[in-house]
Amino acid sequence: EVELVESGGGLVQPGGSLRLSCAASGFSFGNYWMHWVRQAPGQGLVWVSRISKDGIITNYAESLKGRFTVSRDNAKNTVYLEMQSVRAEDTAVYYCTRGGDRGFDHWGPGTLVTVSS
Amino acid sequence: DIQMTQSPLSLSASVGDRVTITCRASQSISTYLNWYQQKPGQAPKALIYVASNVQSGVPSRFSGSGIGTDFTLTITSLQPEDFATYYCQQSYNTPYTFGQGTKVEIK
Repeated sequence: EVELVESGGGLVQPGGSLRLSCAASGFSFGNYWMHWVRQAPGQGLVWVSRISKDGIITNYAESLKGRFTVSRDNAKNTVYLEMQSVRAEDTAVYYCTRGGDRGFDHWGPGTLVTVSS
Repeated sequence: DIQMTQSPLSLSASVGDRVTITCRASQSISTYLNWYQQKPGQAPKALIYVASNVQSGVPSRFSGSGIGTDFTLTITSLQPEDFATYYCQQSYNTPYTFGQGTKVEIK
């Protein structure tokens, strides 16, 4: 059974940093692009970033370029999202999701990031 | 960026009703269109991929159609568990934009 579990969320001060992790199991992790999607409280879904199967290609939402970095460790079946210089508007639930020919077919339960002093 | 516009943004319907949600892309995306369902406090769930293909395990009352810029999600005979928010998403190119969401409520 495919499972994605995010961790690393919590309360962080404006200007601070945080690293989110997403542990994958139940499928051949290295065969899939992985994505991050976020959802601010009461708002819709926003695509954040993606990383290729081998970790070489990364893409980001334009507004996040330079502050967020996605990476992966295929030996650990884990994808990461490094968040720097966080702002209040980065407050959201962050989901990791598996991408492929069937769209985003599996999602983790999400991890909440709250940016506040 | 490709803009995705859903309509309506909310609707009230009764159990057994047929419900149709539309999604329009700001440019042609072929059939690179996916649909998701989200219930309060839960992660989104994949329903439809590549415009008209139903994900494994999704009830057959859900169907999708469209090509180019105009797409629809149809739920025939709405069930109590279908009351949720539905999002379309284009996977034609990055950023993979979502529609604003359509909240389906009980009448």
